[in-house]
Amino acid sequence: EIVLTQSPGTLSLSPGERAIFSCRASQSVRANHIAWYQQKPGQAPRPLMYGASIRVTGIPDRFSGSGSGTDFTLTISRLEPEDFAVYYCQQYGTSTTFGQGTKLEIK
Amino acid sequence: QLVESGGGLVQPGGSLRLSCAASGFTFSTYWMGWVRQAPGKGLEWVANIKQDGGEKYYVDSVEGRFTISRDNAKNSLYLQMNSLGVEDTAVYYCARSQLLAYDVFNMWGQGTMVTVSS
Repeated sequence: EIVLTQSPGTLSLSPGERAIFSCRASQSVRANHIAWYQQKPGQAPRPLMYGASIRVTGIPDRFSGSGSGTDFTLTISRLEPEDFAVYYCQQYGTSTTFGQGTKLEIK
Repeated sequence: QLVESGGGLVQPGGSLRLSCAASGFTFSTYWMGWVRQAPGKGLEWVANIKQDGGEKYYVDSVEGRFTISRDNAKNSLYLQMNSLGVEDTAVYYCARSQLLAYDVFNMWGQGTMVTVSS
C-alpha cells in the first residue's frame, strides 16, 4: 500500500497569502496519478486537481499542482476567504489511498 | 447527482445496506465507488465496481465483510455491510470515478452516516 504523508498538519495564513501543501508518497506514484480535494465542514470532498497538475473544470486558476515521483505540491497563489478548508491528496496509481489531510485555517 | 441512503445506528456484528441513486449522467458507463470518513478523521477508500459489475475491489479492512454491487437499470449503487464493528462508524460517500478503476473521484454524494454502537 502506498502511504501518503501530508504536511503541514495545519497551515495558518491570511487572505491574499500563498498556501503550499505537500504530499509525500512512500513509493513512486505511477504516472503521477495524484489528485487533490478540498473539504469544508459538513460537506463532501470537492475535486480540485488530477494527474498532479490538471485542474478540474471550474476550479480557479489560483489553484495549481506540481510534482512527480514521490513528492507533490498543491499551491493556492492568493488565498480567498472561501479557500479555508481541509485539503487531501489521493494517489490512484496503485490501488488508491488518501493522505491524512492538511487544515488551512485563517490566521 | 448522487444521493446516498440507508445509513443509521446498528449494533456491533449487525448488517446494513447502503444505496446510492445516480442521476444526470450515464451511470452504466462509469466505475463507481464508496469512500468513508470516520468522525473527525480523513478519507478512506472502501470499494470500487466496474461498469458491468464484473470487477470489484475492496480495501483489506472490509474484504469478506462488505459487498459492492450495482443495478444499471435502476441507476443505483449499493454497499452491503456485514459483521460491522465500531471501526466501521463513518460517513459513507458514494463517488464516481473519472475513467479508470482507480482514478480521481469527480462526483460525490452528500454522504450517509453509519454508527456502529451497542
